[in-house]
Amino acid sequence: AQKVTQAQTEISVVEKEDVTLDCVYETRDTTYYLFWYKQPPSGELVFLIRRNSFDEQNEISGRYSWNFQKSTSSFNFTITASQVVDSAVYFCALSGNNYGQNFVFGPGTRLSVLP
Amino acid sequence: GAVVSQHPSRVICKSGTSVKIECRSLDFQATTMFWYRQFPKQSLMLMATSNEGSKATYEQGVEKDKFLINHASLTLSTLTVTSAHPEDSSFYICSARKRGGLYEQYFGPGTRLTVT
Repeated sequence: AQKVTQAQTEISVVEKEDVTLDCVYETRDTTYYLFWYKQPPSGELVFLIRRNSFDEQNEISGRYSWNFQKSTSSFNFTITASQVVDSAVYFCALSGNNYGQNFVFGPGTRLSVLP
Repeated sequence: GAVVSQHPSRVICKSGTSVKIECRSLDFQATTMFWYRQFPKQSLMLMATSNEGSKATYEQGVEKDKFLINHASLTLSTLTVTSAHPEDSSFYICSARKRGGLYEQYFGPGTRLTVT
């Protein structure tokens, strides 16, 4: 069975602080994809990143960075110098390697960035 | 691009009525579409998977007679909530997978259903 755990239910930080959102996953597939999505109050999911299981390189995109470690089955997301506009719910998701397989979403982490 | 639209974005209906939600892939053919439900402050839970031209596969605990899914074309899937009740009030999100795509899913903007 596949499972995604996001242990942090809610996080509050003050603007300009760095914040890391944790994601731990479980899967028996050898090939899989990991995703992060942002869901602002409007509800629409905003795609942030996709990472396949064979690519453990860390990635940086502006203020966002991701740390993928297969050894600990983790795919953590860091926002540097957070801004109020980063306030949202962030979901980590996992997709297996079978055609047609759906996403398994984590429970989400609600991030509040205070001015 | 890979744009998925949903209509309506918001709907309020009375208890006992039926509501249809449309999910369209605007610039690609979607052989598989997924329907998710999200209750307030919760995660997305898969309701069903539909492949074009065949019956939808429902997740355990989802009543197929209550949530009718039709995927009649490669660009359109519909979810009909029949005899809606207040507990069906939720945020419904669809996603679509391209023909030939294996892992990517493109999400619609969601439909907020309120049953009074």
